[in-house]
Amino acid sequence: EAQVTQNPRYLITVTGKKLTVTCSQNMNHEYMSWYRQDPGLGLRQIYYSMNVEVTDKGDVPEGYKVSRKEKRNFPLILESPSPNQTSLYFCASSFRVAGWTGELFFGEGSRLTVL
Amino acid sequence: RKEVEQDPGPFNVPEGATVAFNCTYSNSASQSFFWYRQDCRKEPKLLMSVYSSGNEDGRFTAQLNRASQYISLLIRDSKLSDSATYLCVVVDRGSTLGRLYFGRGTQLTVWP
Repeated sequence: EAQVTQNPRYLITVTGKKLTVTCSQNMNHEYMSWYRQDPGLGLRQIYYSMNVEVTDKGDVPEGYKVSRKEKRNFPLILESPSPNQTSLYFCASSFRVAGWTGELFFGEGSRLTVL
Repeated sequence: RKEVEQDPGPFNVPEGATVAFNCTYSNSASQSFFWYRQDCRKEPKLLMSVYSSGNEDGRFTAQLNRASQYISLLIRDSKLSDSATYLCVVVDRGSTLGRLYFGRGTQLTVWP
């Protein structure tokens, strides 16, 4: 089954404890991206990657890192989480970069709470 | 100024009503526009693209007004199942997927 898988789905952690949210897709998609969703602010792009070893900042990259060493994986790293990073995180992928037709395949989301 | 501004809602309408949402964008060079739907606590899913000449998909009509830099979504004959949050999406680099901007979303509730 074609899917984008995020882990963990739910996490409660403490300030400063490094964590990684993994994202994996099995559709051989070139494009992958991370978003956070907060009430009243909507979805905001954190980082995106147009292919292996190619990443770029989105709207709100501060406090996050990413890497794209393989096509299928795009982990989101919070080196020193802070309470303002409490949010719902989505990973998404797409099969095409040029002439994009609009379909992003989203994971089910990861709800992160930083105490 | 935010790249994409969207009607805040919420919209509460009876079944059968017609409802319209607007979304304005600030970058006049933007070329690609889409509407997504997000059900409560779920991931967003593509509803439809927005073409320059306007396009229809069943009860849904999307339109683009480049002069005024806004896109719209019209839902006719609303169903209970249309209750969701509707997000507009703007691509800032022609039709090449890169940086994306989502509106904050407009919440729609259709009541019986």
